[in-house]
Amino acid sequence: AQSVTQLDSQVPVFEEAPVELRCNYSSSVSVYLFWYVQYPNQGLQLLLKYLSGSTLVKGINGFEAEFNKSQTSFHLRKPSVHISDTAEYFCAVVGEYAGGTSYGKLTFGQGTILTVHP
Amino acid sequence: DTGVSQNPRHKITKRGQNVTFRCDPISEHNRLYWYRQTLGQGPEFLTYFQNEAQLEKSRLLSDRFSAERPKGSFSTLEIQRTEQGDSAMYLCASSLRGGASEQYFGPGTRLTVT
Repeated sequence: AQSVTQLDSQVPVFEEAPVELRCNYSSSVSVYLFWYVQYPNQGLQLLLKYLSGSTLVKGINGFEAEFNKSQTSFHLRKPSVHISDTAEYFCAVVGEYAGGTSYGKLTFGQGTILTVHP
Repeated sequence: DTGVSQNPRHKITKRGQNVTFRCDPISEHNRLYWYRQTLGQGPEFLTYFQNEAQLEKSRLLSDRFSAERPKGSFSTLEIQRTEQGDSAMYLCASSLRGGASEQYFGPGTRLTVT
């Protein structure tokens, strides 16, 4: 089984400032890692994902995340935020089992509400 | 490709009534997932289908819940004898394959049980 902890429930930040949203996970097997964004009254949208290879992954809208296996973390960063980045962000994992089997069901964190102030 | 659609978007029902939600996935997607999201929490997995076969159900899915995906196309989620604790946003997602394939989410159905 997997679990995901997002360390901040709310993050307020001023426009053009950098931001980091923190995510830690726990799993007995290897995992794939995802960040989703949810704008008000809209469905979840994939920002980026880590499957393998380079631990720094880049996503849409200027976001990037770094996978740290030793610290079981997958923090999301953006060097300069915009008002339009105001949304709720979810970190999620999918377990990879023996033989490369993965059932695809996502385990989500509790979410971090990012509010960008002018 | 119009994305994943869910109907209705909102449903208000009285405790004890039955409700049914529908999800239309992206047409070529084999996998279909249902999640439930309560206020202040992330989505929680309920069940998923590979084509028409329901392959896994979460322990969250009590015997009052049933899901179907006839002919591997749209899916329905029915809740019988609704309880106030069933109030939540019900999300549907589809993907081309399992594993790390991107899941595309619908806008959700918000259920309020009074």
